[in-house]
Amino acid sequence: ETGVTQTPRHLVMGMTNKKSLKCEQHLGHNAMYWYKQSAKKPLELMFVYSLEERVENNSVPSRFSPECPNSSHLFLHLHTLQPEDSALYLCASSGAGVIWSSYNEQFFGPGTRLTVL
Amino acid sequence: GQQVMQIPQYQHVQEGEDFTTYCNSSTTLSNIQWYKQRPGGHPVFLIQLVKSGEVKKQKRLTFQFGEAKKNSSLHITATQTTDVGTYFCAALSGAGSYQLTFGKGTKLSVIP
Repeated sequence: ETGVTQTPRHLVMGMTNKKSLKCEQHLGHNAMYWYKQSAKKPLELMFVYSLEERVENNSVPSRFSPECPNSSHLFLHLHTLQPEDSALYLCASSGAGVIWSSYNEQFFGPGTRLTVL
Repeated sequence: GQQVMQIPQYQHVQEGEDFTTYCNSSTTLSNIQWYKQRPGGHPVFLIQLVKSGEVKKQKRLTFQFGEAKKNSSLHITATQTTDVGTYFCAALSGAGSYQLTFGKGTKLSVIP
């Protein structure tokens, strides 16, 4: 148990559906992340939120829409996805971004396995 | 953007043999982190190296950070079946950055 939970663990959706992935961290961290992990590519950072402000957006298509209502919760809203978006979506959190601190290790949730039909 | 190259991509070893994975960058790294992902699991933080030439040990695992801070390695002595998984190195984009750039990982299989 890493203190980062994700729901649902598995999701199958059609290309016209709208769904949301949820992430919650119980570690008191102030930064949260969305990653995409597929068989063909390494861990791809999608979004970073620090103190509920989005600080990174790595050219992610607009069909992925993140939301961070508070420092403990992170959502990824999905709409009109493509089959190539099928992947494991991982949420992570970390403490302060001070490089000399041990707090910038990232704690990952178990992930949501997404299949787009 | 910053890239970290990790080799090999796959490694099959007999139980009891040693294993090493390497991580290289063309630029000087602020620090480097190592993660392990078990099959069907999620990445779990193992260690962070910060200082030039730093060496850290965790039981059978030895982590090194190069003198020039451009490369790192993870060495496992006498592998066990519990070592199976994918090992990733990751580096911060820069001072104060939150963004970790991950290597492609080395998938380790241990033959009992």
